[in-house]
Amino acid sequence: DAGVIQSPRHEVTEMGQEVTLRCKPISGHNSLFWYRQTMMRGLELLIYFNNNVPIDDSGMPEDRFSAKMPNASFSTLKIQPSEPRDSAVYFCASSPFDRGYEQYFGPGTRLTVT
Amino acid sequence: QKEVEQNSGPLSVPEGAIASLNCTYSDRGSQSFFWYRQYSGKSPELIMFIYSNGDKEDGRFTAQLNKASQYVSLLIRDSQPSDSATYLCAVLNTGFQKLVFGTGTRLLVSP
Repeated sequence: DAGVIQSPRHEVTEMGQEVTLRCKPISGHNSLFWYRQTMMRGLELLIYFNNNVPIDDSGMPEDRFSAKMPNASFSTLKIQPSEPRDSAVYFCASSPFDRGYEQYFGPGTRLTVT
Repeated sequence: QKEVEQNSGPLSVPEGAIASLNCTYSDRGSQSFFWYRQYSGKSPELIMFIYSNGDKEDGRFTAQLNKASQYVSLLIRDSQPSDSATYLCAVLNTGFQKLVFGTGTRLLVSP
Protein backbone atom coordinates (compact mmCIF):
# COMPACT_ATOMS: atom_id res chain seq x y z
CA ASP A 1 0.00 0.00 0.00
CA ALA A 2 1.23 3.49 -0.80
CA GLY A 3 0.17 4.91 2.55
CA VAL A 4 -1.59 8.22 2.99
CA ILE A 5 -0.88 10.55 0.09
CA GLN A 6 -0.88 14.32 0.43
CA SER A 7 -0.38 17.04 -2.11
CA PRO A 8 1.24 19.40 -2.53
CA ARG A 9 4.21 18.71 -0.26
CA HIS A 10 5.12 22.37 -0.12
CA GLU A 11 3.00 25.42 -0.78
CA VAL A 12 4.07 29.04 -0.71
CA THR A 13 1.37 31.60 -1.24
CA GLU A 14 0.62 35.23 -0.58
CA MET A 15 -1.75 36.46 2.07
CA GLY A 16 -5.31 36.57 0.82
CA GLN A 17 -4.95 33.74 -1.65
CA GLU A 18 -6.96 30.53 -1.53
CA VAL A 19 -5.08 27.37 -0.59
CA THR A 20 -6.31 23.82 -1.17
CA LEU A 21 -4.61 20.84 0.41
CA ARG A 22 -5.41 17.33 -0.77
CA CYS A 23 -5.36 13.91 0.85
CA LYS A 24 -5.88 10.33 -0.26
CA PRO A 25 -6.32 7.98 2.72
CA ILE A 26 -5.23 4.37 2.90
CA SER A 27 -7.68 2.15 1.06
CA GLY A 28 -10.13 0.53 3.45
CA HIS A 29 -9.68 3.07 6.23
CA ASN A 30 -12.98 4.61 7.27
CA SER A 31 -11.69 7.52 9.34
CA LEU A 32 -9.76 10.55 8.15
CA PHE A 33 -8.16 13.28 10.24
CA TRP A 34 -6.72 16.69 9.40
CA TYR A 35 -4.07 18.08 11.76
CA ARG A 36 -1.99 21.24 11.91
CA GLN A 37 1.45 21.27 13.53
CA THR A 38 3.39 24.33 14.69
CA MET A 39 6.28 24.73 17.09
CA MET A 40 4.17 26.75 19.49
CA ARG A 41 0.97 24.72 19.55
CA GLY A 42 2.15 21.25 18.59
CA LEU A 43 -0.14 18.87 16.72
CA GLU A 44 -3.74 20.06 16.69
CA LEU A 45 -6.72 18.17 15.33
CA LEU A 46 -8.72 20.35 12.97
CA ILE A 47 -11.48 17.99 11.83
CA TYR A 48 -12.17 14.32 11.37
CA PHE A 49 -14.50 12.25 9.21
CA ASN A 50 -16.02 8.81 9.66
CA ASN A 51 -17.31 7.18 6.48
CA ASN A 52 -16.98 10.52 4.65
CA VAL A 53 -19.14 12.34 7.21
CA PRO A 54 -17.61 15.18 9.30
CA ILE A 55 -17.88 14.16 12.96
CA ASP A 56 -16.06 16.87 14.85
CA ASP A 57 -14.87 20.17 13.38
CA SER A 58 -14.40 21.96 16.70
CA GLY A 59 -10.69 22.35 15.98
CA MET A 60 -11.19 24.35 12.80
CA PRO A 61 -9.79 27.77 13.70
CA GLU A 62 -12.39 29.91 11.96
CA ASP A 63 -14.67 30.18 8.97
CA ARG A 64 -11.73 30.66 6.65
CA PHE A 65 -11.08 26.93 6.98
CA SER A 66 -13.28 24.31 5.37
CA ALA A 67 -12.90 20.59 4.70
CA LYS A 68 -14.71 18.14 2.49
CA MET A 69 -14.63 14.43 1.86
CA PRO A 70 -16.69 13.75 -1.27
CA ASN A 71 -15.78 10.06 -1.33
CA ALA A 72 -13.82 7.45 0.59
CA SER A 73 -10.59 8.09 -1.28
CA PHE A 74 -10.29 11.86 -1.30
CA SER A 75 -10.45 14.81 1.06
CA THR A 76 -9.58 18.50 0.81
CA LEU A 77 -8.76 21.20 3.33
CA LYS A 78 -9.28 24.71 2.02
CA ILE A 79 -8.15 28.02 3.49
CA GLN A 80 -9.74 31.12 2.02
CA PRO A 81 -8.39 33.74 2.44
CA SER A 82 -5.03 32.60 3.78
CA GLU A 83 -3.11 34.57 6.41
CA PRO A 84 0.55 34.43 7.57
CA ARG A 85 -0.54 32.82 10.87
CA ASP A 86 -1.81 29.84 8.89
CA SER A 87 1.79 28.90 8.10
CA ALA A 88 2.31 25.38 9.48
CA VAL A 89 2.65 21.76 8.47
CA TYR A 90 -0.72 20.20 7.73
CA PHE A 91 -1.02 16.46 8.15
CA CYS A 92 -3.72 14.14 6.97
CA ALA A 93 -4.10 10.78 8.74
CA SER A 94 -6.37 7.80 8.30
CA SER A 95 -7.34 4.86 10.47
CA PRO A 96 -9.59 1.85 10.54
CA PHE A 97 -12.92 2.88 12.01
CA ASP A 98 -12.67 0.62 15.04
CA ARG A 99 -9.08 1.60 15.82
CA GLY A 100 -9.12 5.37 15.71
CA TYR A 101 -5.91 5.59 17.72
CA GLU A 102 -3.99 3.66 15.06
CA GLN A 103 -3.57 6.64 12.81
CA TYR A 104 -1.32 6.53 9.78
CA PHE A 105 -0.04 9.94 8.88
CA GLY A 106 0.72 11.29 5.45
CA PRO A 107 4.00 13.13 4.76
CA GLY A 108 2.38 16.50 5.39
CA THR A 109 2.08 19.74 3.46
CA ARG A 110 4.34 22.58 4.56
CA LEU A 111 2.38 25.77 4.02
CA THR A 112 4.03 29.17 4.02
CA VAL A 113 1.86 32.26 3.71
CA THR A 114 3.80 35.47 3.07
CA GLN B 1 -3.99 23.71 31.92
CA LYS B 2 -3.20 21.82 28.74
CA GLU B 3 -4.93 18.49 28.28
CA VAL B 4 -1.65 16.64 27.68
CA GLU B 5 1.64 18.02 28.95
CA GLN B 6 5.19 17.04 28.13
CA ASN B 7 8.55 18.59 28.79
CA SER B 8 9.79 19.90 25.45
CA GLY B 9 13.40 18.95 26.18
CA PRO B 10 15.76 18.29 24.65
CA LEU B 11 16.49 15.23 26.73
CA SER B 12 20.08 14.22 26.09
CA VAL B 13 21.30 10.71 26.90
CA PRO B 14 24.44 8.78 25.89
CA GLU B 15 24.18 5.76 23.65
CA GLY B 16 23.28 2.64 25.65
CA ALA B 17 21.57 4.52 28.46
CA ILE B 18 17.89 4.44 29.42
CA ALA B 19 15.82 7.38 28.19
CA SER B 20 12.77 8.23 30.26
CA LEU B 21 10.03 10.36 28.69
CA ASN B 22 7.12 11.60 30.75
CA CYS B 23 3.60 12.83 30.11
CA THR B 24 0.71 13.99 32.29
CA TYR B 25 -2.92 14.37 31.27
CA SER B 26 -5.85 16.24 32.71
CA ASP B 27 -8.90 14.17 31.73
CA ARG B 28 -9.29 11.65 34.54
CA GLY B 29 -11.73 9.64 32.43
CA SER B 30 -9.16 8.91 29.72
CA GLN B 31 -8.64 5.21 29.16
CA SER B 32 -6.17 4.88 26.31
CA PHE B 33 -2.70 6.30 25.89
CA PHE B 34 -0.31 6.31 22.99
CA TRP B 35 3.25 7.18 22.11
CA TYR B 36 4.11 8.43 18.64
CA ARG B 37 7.63 9.03 17.36
CA GLN B 38 8.36 11.84 14.91
CA TYR B 39 11.70 12.20 13.18
CA SER B 40 12.68 15.69 12.10
CA GLY B 41 10.82 16.68 8.95
CA LYS B 42 8.77 13.50 8.97
CA SER B 43 5.29 12.50 10.07
CA PRO B 44 4.36 10.90 13.42
CA GLU B 45 4.25 7.11 13.68
CA LEU B 46 2.64 5.01 16.41
CA ILE B 47 5.14 3.02 18.49
CA MET B 48 3.30 2.02 21.70
CA PHE B 49 -0.09 2.08 23.32
CA ILE B 50 -1.25 1.19 26.82
CA TYR B 51 -4.67 0.86 28.43
CA SER B 52 -4.06 -0.68 31.86
CA ASN B 53 -2.16 0.50 34.88
CA GLY B 54 1.34 -0.89 35.05
CA ASP B 55 3.97 -1.62 32.46
CA LYS B 56 3.81 -2.79 28.86
CA GLU B 57 6.99 -3.90 27.15
CA ASP B 58 7.76 -4.11 23.43
CA GLY B 59 11.38 -4.75 22.59
CA ARG B 60 13.49 -1.91 23.93
CA PHE B 61 10.39 0.17 24.70
CA THR B 62 8.35 0.09 27.92
CA ALA B 63 5.23 2.16 28.45
CA GLN B 64 4.14 2.83 32.02
CA LEU B 65 0.72 4.05 33.12
CA ASN B 66 -0.46 5.34 36.47
CA LYS B 67 -4.08 6.45 36.18
CA ALA B 68 -4.31 7.60 39.80
CA SER B 69 -1.50 10.08 39.16
CA GLN B 70 -2.62 10.73 35.56
CA TYR B 71 0.87 9.96 34.40
CA VAL B 72 2.25 8.06 31.41
CA SER B 73 5.88 7.39 30.63
CA LEU B 74 7.98 5.78 27.93
CA LEU B 75 11.28 4.12 28.71
CA ILE B 76 13.75 3.37 25.95
CA ARG B 77 16.43 0.90 26.99
CA ASP B 78 19.83 0.71 25.30
CA SER B 79 19.19 4.02 23.56
CA GLN B 80 20.60 4.34 20.04
CA PRO B 81 21.41 7.46 18.02
CA SER B 82 18.60 6.33 15.68
CA ASP B 83 16.16 6.88 18.57
CA SER B 84 16.84 10.62 18.35
CA ALA B 85 13.45 12.09 17.53
CA THR B 86 10.50 13.89 19.09
CA TYR B 87 8.19 11.65 21.09
CA LEU B 88 4.54 12.64 21.22
CA CYS B 89 2.25 11.48 23.99
CA ALA B 90 -1.41 11.16 22.96
CA VAL B 91 -4.58 10.50 24.90
CA LEU B 92 -7.81 9.20 23.41
CA ASN B 93 -10.48 11.75 24.24
CA THR B 94 -13.13 10.29 26.57
CA GLY B 95 -16.15 9.16 24.59
CA PHE B 96 -14.69 10.13 21.27
CA GLN B 97 -12.40 8.77 18.67
CA LYS B 98 -10.00 11.66 18.53
CA LEU B 99 -6.51 11.80 19.95
CA VAL B 100 -5.22 14.76 21.93
CA PHE B 101 -1.47 15.17 21.51
CA GLY B 102 1.13 16.72 23.76
CA THR B 103 3.67 19.05 22.19
CA GLY B 104 6.34 16.37 22.36
CA THR B 105 9.72 15.78 23.97
CA ARG B 106 12.80 15.96 21.81
CA LEU B 107 15.25 13.14 22.55
CA LEU B 108 18.92 13.33 21.56
CA VAL B 109 21.04 10.19 21.86
CA SER B 110 24.74 10.87 21.51
CA PRO B 111 27.20 8.21 20.26
